[in-house]
Amino acid sequence: GAVVSQHPSRVICKSGTSVKIECRSLDFQATTMFWYRQFPKKSLMLMATSNEGSKATYEQGVEKDKFLINHASLTLSTLTVTSAHPEDSSFYICSAIEPGTSGYNEQFFGPGTRLTVL
Amino acid sequence: GDSVTQMEGPVTLSEEAFLTINCTYTATGYPSLFWYVQYPGEGLQLLLKATKADDKGSNKGFEATYRKETTSFHLEKGSVQVSDSAVYFCALMDSNYQLIWGAGTKLIIKP
Repeated sequence: GAVVSQHPSRVICKSGTSVKIECRSLDFQATTMFWYRQFPKKSLMLMATSNEGSKATYEQGVEKDKFLINHASLTLSTLTVTSAHPEDSSFYICSAIEPGTSGYNEQFFGPGTRLTVL
Repeated sequence: GDSVTQMEGPVTLSEEAFLTINCTYTATGYPSLFWYVQYPGEGLQLLLKATKADDKGSNKGFEATYRKETTSFHLEKGSVQVSDSAVYFCALMDSNYQLIWGAGTKLIIKP
């Protein structure tokens, strides 16, 4: 099946620094990728939808200047948390759509990135 | 808007017990429905899916039937194993191909 990787899997940074998280589709081209944030014991919160070659679409309440998303190629999307603060500590998950023939587009998920801001 | 409601956990069962995790949804139209599983330390994996009413998704002994009349997609397994311990998420896909998630149910299976 389709594989999505994320890098790094875990990152610890100081408050005020920026952190970049990469999401790659390894064996398919993903025209659309999604970025989620997962809070402890809670469901996933969709942050933004990333389309290759165009600006990301952010969900209401998500600061686009703080969470910069770049979908530069059909296999790579990046999320940069700028000027990170402790409240940004979370588990960030990306997913990618592999265009299918079954009438819907299945999302394949990366393993997630645990961000801890000190 | 569209939403998914699933039973709160944690659900604790003994090995070989019967499992049901309830999931209901509200949506316009007839969305595709999914169950995802997240094993400890791993990413989300699609467990099973159903794309239209009365479809039954099944995988690894788990089953769920798309019930339009009750807007439900309950997850069942006849005999759970310790290795089934994980967090299970019910989700629907809206018309924009976005997944709408339930809150997740943690399942703990004791030997």
